[in-house]
Amino acid sequence: DQQVKQNSPSLSVQEGRISILNCDYTNSMFDYFLWYKKYPAEGPTFLISISSIKDKNEDGRFTVFLNKSAKHLSLHIVPSQPGDSAVYFCAARSNTPLVFGKGTRLSVIA
Amino acid sequence: NAGVMQNPRHLVRRRGQEARLRCSPMKGHSHVYWYRQLPEEGLKFMVYLQKENIIDESGMPKERFSAEFPKEGPSILRIQQVVRGDSAAYFCASSLNPGQSNQPQHFGDGTRLSIL
Repeated sequence: DQQVKQNSPSLSVQEGRISILNCDYTNSMFDYFLWYKKYPAEGPTFLISISSIKDKNEDGRFTVFLNKSAKHLSLHIVPSQPGDSAVYFCAARSNTPLVFGKGTRLSVIA
Repeated sequence: NAGVMQNPRHLVRRRGQEARLRCSPMKGHSHVYWYRQLPEEGLKFMVYLQKENIIDESGMPKERFSAEFPKEGPSILRIQQVVRGDSAAYFCASSLNPGQSNQPQHFGDGTRLSIL
């Protein structure tokens, strides 16, 4: 039973355009959501997070949107850069352990 | 480097041997988590420890796996009598007070365990 789902295994975007990565969840007890970025042979790097009491959090080129009624969140990257090419994991928390999605591989094409 | 440090980065074992994975949390962090990632999968929680205490081991197999975080030294994930299915990347993360929602977990670069 997958509580956090990233339905797009991969995404290709032109440099300078917007990248939108999506994530759906099933557990309404999740109160905190995070996005991590992962390069090959490295650990996940924390990008941005959002509390369940908010619907938007912005940090530079990265914005996370949360739609609680739809149990959906998205990560927007604008403008996309070649260095953003990586696997992006959505994660959610109700207690302490994080529950991760399977990731979306983003390729930003120059 | 003040990040989460894991060693070794790569570990090769034969079936039946023991594997020991070490993790030193970020400076000032007293909460440690272990996750496992299989190919093409997300990270799956295994165990959460504070100094000298196991807080949550709900994701860890009951047999052959154990974890500790002693008062001094790194956290250790131990896998006894390894089998081929244990081949995976094992990631350690640490955090400050996890009760505060704005305290993310920070990850090390993982140990890639290969079982021959």
